[in-house]
Amino acid sequence: RKEVEQDPGPFNVPEGATVAFNCTYSNSASQSFFWYRQDCRKEPKLLMSVYSSGNEDGRFTAQLNRASQYISLLIRDSKLSDSATYLCVVNKDTDKLIFGTGTRLQVFP
Amino acid sequence: EAGVVQSPRYKIIEKKQPVAFWCNPISGHNTLYWYRQNLGQGPELLIRYENEEAVDDSQLPKDRFSAERLKGVDSTLKIQPAELGDSAVYLCASSWTAGNTIYFGEGSWLTVV
Repeated sequence: RKEVEQDPGPFNVPEGATVAFNCTYSNSASQSFFWYRQDCRKEPKLLMSVYSSGNEDGRFTAQLNRASQYISLLIRDSKLSDSATYLCVVNKDTDKLIFGTGTRLQVFP
Repeated sequence: EAGVVQSPRYKIIEKKQPVAFWCNPISGHNTLYWYRQNLGQGPELLIRYENEEAVDDSQLPKDRFSAERLKGVDSTLKIQPAELGDSAVYLCASSWTAGNTIYFGEGSWLTVV
């Protein structure tokens, strides 16, 4: 089993739609979780950290489910500019971050 | 504040040739990472430095790859000799300390022909 697994997509959604991605991780001792966004031919950039209680940043909501070992990212009211690859990142051994393969999102007019 | 700076942005070389990438991390960041990203994949860690010490190089193919961070600031990653399978994006990143938010450079795109 991979340490971090994501559905590669693509998820094709119309503008205004709500879309959710899940990411599963294998190490039950993991403590830090992040979502990074990567635009085509660009570097990954931090979108948001994921906290135990769940957290929201505008249209984006991240949640953690420790029992089932997954994190999720919900995007409401999708914009064309949300089209990108979303990378799930989980820590290993407290100081080593493992990246998932990413989920590609395409928002169409 | 300047971000992570990498050079060159693009490099095309023939197989068996050497290549080197340079990275200058964000000022004050003690931790420096080199990642490799293949098409359709997430970044994979090659090596992590804490100041000038390589603390995790378990994924670095040591037969052909080498890296250094002599003064604990900028770093170089070298491949010699390059193979076709080395074609990828080489991303440098830095963080204030290990486990903190990682900031990436724009990457060095390598094509080996």
